[in-house]
Amino acid sequence: AQSVTQLGSHVSVSEGALVLLRCNYSSSVPPYLFWYVQYPNQGLQLLLKYTTGATLVKGINGFEAEFKKSETSFHLTKPSAHMSDAAEYFCAVRTPGNQFYFGTGTSLTVIP
Amino acid sequence: SQTIHQWPATLVQPVGSPLSLECTVEGTSNPNLYWYRQAAGRGLQLLFYSVGIGQISSEVPQNLSASRPQDRQFILSSKKLLLSDSGFYLCAWTPGGGMFPSPLHFGNGTRLTVT
Repeated sequence: AQSVTQLGSHVSVSEGALVLLRCNYSSSVPPYLFWYVQYPNQGLQLLLKYTTGATLVKGINGFEAEFKKSETSFHLTKPSAHMSDAAEYFCAVRTPGNQFYFGTGTSLTVIP
Repeated sequence: SQTIHQWPATLVQPVGSPLSLECTVEGTSNPNLYWYRQAAGRGLQLLFYSVGIGQISSEVPQNLSASRPQDRQFILSSKKLLLSDSGFYLCAWTPGGGMFPSPLHFGNGTRLTVT
C-alpha cells in the first residue's frame, strides 16, 4: 500500500528565511512523487514532480525538492520565503495503477 | 490546450437531499478522471477514479457514487446527503494510457455544505 506522511501540519518562517517542508513516502515500487500548492478555495497547482533521472528537481516559484531513496523522502525547499508563498502544500505519490495518494498537507505561514 | 471545468463552485444542500457534481475535461481524449474530497486538516481523500467510460473504481465505502457517461465527463452523485458529506470536492485528470507519469491537473473545486 502507498502512503505519504508530511511532518508538521503547520510551519511558520520569516520572510527571507529558508522554507523546508517534509515528506516521506512508503512504496513497494519506485515512486513518482509530486508537490502541489493550494491557495484558499482553489484547486491544487503543481509545483514540481519527480519521475526518473536527476534526484534534485526544480519547480515553479523557486521551489525545489530532492528525492532520497535511502530515506524514502522528498522534502520541499525554497532558499528565501516570500509572503506570496503562504499557502497549503501537499506531497503526493502516484502508483503504477494511476492512483494518486496525498499527504495531509502543511500550512505555510510567512511572517513579515 | 487542455482545461478542466467543475461546477458548481459552491453548494448548500439540506440533509437527505440528492447531489450531482459535474466535471468535464476539454482538449484531450480518454483521460483518467478522479474525484477527491478534502476535509479540514485531513488532506485529500481519493473517492473514485476512472480510466474509461463506464469504468469506475471506488477507493472507500461512501454515501457517494460516480459515473462517467461520456469520455470526458465525470459525475459525483448521492441519493441522500449526510452532514458528514460536507467538504471541498475536487475533480482532476491525467492523460490516459499511463505511458508517461503525468501529474494530476485539478479543477477549482466545489465547496459543499450540508445543513
